Amino acid sequence: GQGVEQPAKLMSVEGTFARVNCTYSTSGFNGLSWYQQREGQAPVFLSYVVLDGLKDSGHFSTFLSRSNGYSYLLLTELQIKDSASYLCAVRDLYGSSGNKLIFGIGTLLSVKP
Amino acid sequence: GGIITQTPKFLIGQEGQKLTLKCQQNFNHDTMYWYRQDSGKGLRLIYYSITENDLQKGDLSEGYDASREKKSSFSLTVTSAQKNEMAVFLCASTRHISNERLFFGHGTKLSVL
Repeated sequence: GQGVEQPAKLMSVEGTFARVNCTYSTSGFNGLSWYQQREGQAPVFLSYVVLDGLKDSGHFSTFLSRSNGYSYLLLTELQIKDSASYLCAVRDLYGSSGNKLIFGIGTLLSVKP
Repeated sequence: GGIITQTPKFLIGQEGQKLTLKCQQNFNHDTMYWYRQDSGKGLRLIYYSITENDLQKGDLSEGYDASREKKSSFSLTVTSAQKNEMAVFLCASTRHISNERLFFGHGTKLSVL
């Protein structure tokens, strides 16, 4: 069926990296976005990708493979404050919801000292 | 910069009660959204408004009404609160319906006794 899948939890260590995976299945594709949401806070936009490949934005990088319906968000040089939920959202062009965003459940990243 | 303000931050209601959540934005954005966030589920779209005086149903509109009183404000009404219901309602806005970057408010946390 149509949807966006993310692992619920991910753990990593301060100073290393974390890769948050997202797979999607949609009837059309018009871009994928990543948001960061800290506990009790508003989701904050991080990145939007529509072309295949790696998009390097410094601390955050995003990768997209449209043929595989797959994206990841890569966080490098992790800090404790990177502990948050990371939401993947895909714009489904032709789905039953119309040209609107479909969100994954969010991956809760815990960064340990 | 701008800000999205949601009121109240916490809302406690009784079963069957009609409850109203408010959202204000000073970005001068055309499009506004109401999402519901439940634990273990992705954000689900309740209502959205492409521009002032417009109203569109999302996937989860049953049990809710919405009103775009003016360009800067978008209200959501729970028509009859369900017992033991608990969720966070997030308001968001974008410059235009086609714009990818959503700006979110901090949310209203609803608890129904």
